Amino acid sequence: TQLLEQSPQFLSIQEGENLTVYCNSSSVFSSLQWYRQEPGEGPVLLVTVVTGGEVKKLKRLTFQFGDARKDSSLHITAAQPGDTGLYLCAGVRGATNKLIFGTGTLLAVQP
Amino acid sequence: DAMVIQNPRYQVTQFGKPVTLSCSQTLNHNVMYWYQQKSSQAPKLLFHYYDKDFNNEADTPDNFQSRRPNTSFCFLDIRSPGLGDAAMYLCATRNRDTQETQYFGPGTRLLVL
Repeated sequence: TQLLEQSPQFLSIQEGENLTVYCNSSSVFSSLQWYRQEPGEGPVLLVTVVTGGEVKKLKRLTFQFGDARKDSSLHITAAQPGDTGLYLCAGVRGATNKLIFGTGTLLAVQP
Repeated sequence: DAMVIQNPRYQVTQFGKPVTLSCSQTLNHNVMYWYQQKSSQAPKLLFHYYDKDFNNEADTPDNFQSRRPNTSFCFLDIRSPGLGDAAMYLCATRNRDTQETQYFGPGTRLLVL
């Protein structure tokens, strides 16, 4: 059962454009993480958001956790080719810290 | 500097021929996870160990087994690989006592011929 839906599923944009990726669920999570994964590599953690309404910035990336802790968004300003990759959100559930991964967003930034 | 190491990075096996993937860690974490990830999809948790306690996900096929002989090593055994088992297999570790996040290895890409 897939509990976290990401949109869009695929995104191809030009260098310099802005974009937003959404991660939606009907379930509440204790925290939510965003990962970027490059081809042939494991996911690399970008950020963890914990508090409802929290906003975190990582250079050109802005992450927001929904007030009800059910959804999140990732906004990239002035995308670069180096931002290309698979973006995964993951809800953290319970004391076991089990990760429930989203469906993924494959981003391609063309130079 | 490597923290979660997976060997080999690429593995080719034949349909029905048992294969073992390995994961080692230098972090001394008490939890180790195995995920299966098919092309451009989300990783799917197969099972995890908390110390020596094995925790299988309900929908993990019996074809997949795991061993953890010590804290540092964990193995994924696929008893009779099918074409549908071709995927990236990711190992991750975590320190449950400090509630840190999971650290992922680079993965092993398995090809079944």
